[in-house]
Amino acid sequence: DAGITQSPRHKVTETGTPVTLRCHQTENHRYMYWYRQDPGHGLRLIHYSYGVKDTDKGEVSDGYSVSRSKTEDFLLTLESATSSQTSVYFCAIGSDIGDEKLFFGSGTQLSVL
Amino acid sequence: AQSVTQLGSHVSVSEGALVLLRCNYSSSVPPYLFWYVQYPNQGLQLLLKYTTGATLVKGINGFEAEFKKSETSFHLTKPSAHMSDAAEYFCAVSEFTGGGNKLTFGTGTQLKVEL
Repeated sequence: DAGITQSPRHKVTETGTPVTLRCHQTENHRYMYWYRQDPGHGLRLIHYSYGVKDTDKGEVSDGYSVSRSKTEDFLLTLESATSSQTSVYFCAIGSDIGDEKLFFGSGTQLSVL
Repeated sequence: AQSVTQLGSHVSVSEGALVLLRCNYSSSVPPYLFWYVQYPNQGLQLLLKYTTGATLVKGINGFEAEFKKSETSFHLTKPSAHMSDAAEYFCAVSEFTGGGNKLTFGTGTQLKVEL
């Protein structure tokens, strides 16, 4: 299995509080992604990174920010959590050597009350 | 923009029966297509992928899919279902750009296998 660790695995927080989710990889892959999974919507791309300090928005980026200061870490921040951000968040990584598949972490279940 | 449509959010089959999960895609460029499987409380793992070449693609656990350009389809099949196949399956199309391989997923199909 690809070395991807997401933390925390579960989090419950209150509306209006800031939340940071962490994705850590040991594969030295260039690309990292944050997706959210919701019933009836599948997985949707929030933000992605194509290198240290290089990030861009995905399909559902409103209310989220990201940072990547090291190759191995990709942080997702909810500046002021809302109930609509209750979801399962998945991190994925991909290499730049022509292999198109992504490897996914085990997910973070976030509940915003 | 690319998109994927998975027909049927829930599919139920008997053990030993054929599994057919449907996926249609929309893409303005030649697509890369994927099937991922998600077991309960786990992340997604790749079943199979189509990039170029042979249109019949074989994956893990006895699954295969056929890319049909004329029908814009990439249906997933398995000749004989096993109880361990019960999971959620996602079809995805990718856009490989400077930002890497950004996947657009379908809404998923939950496969139930009954005795």
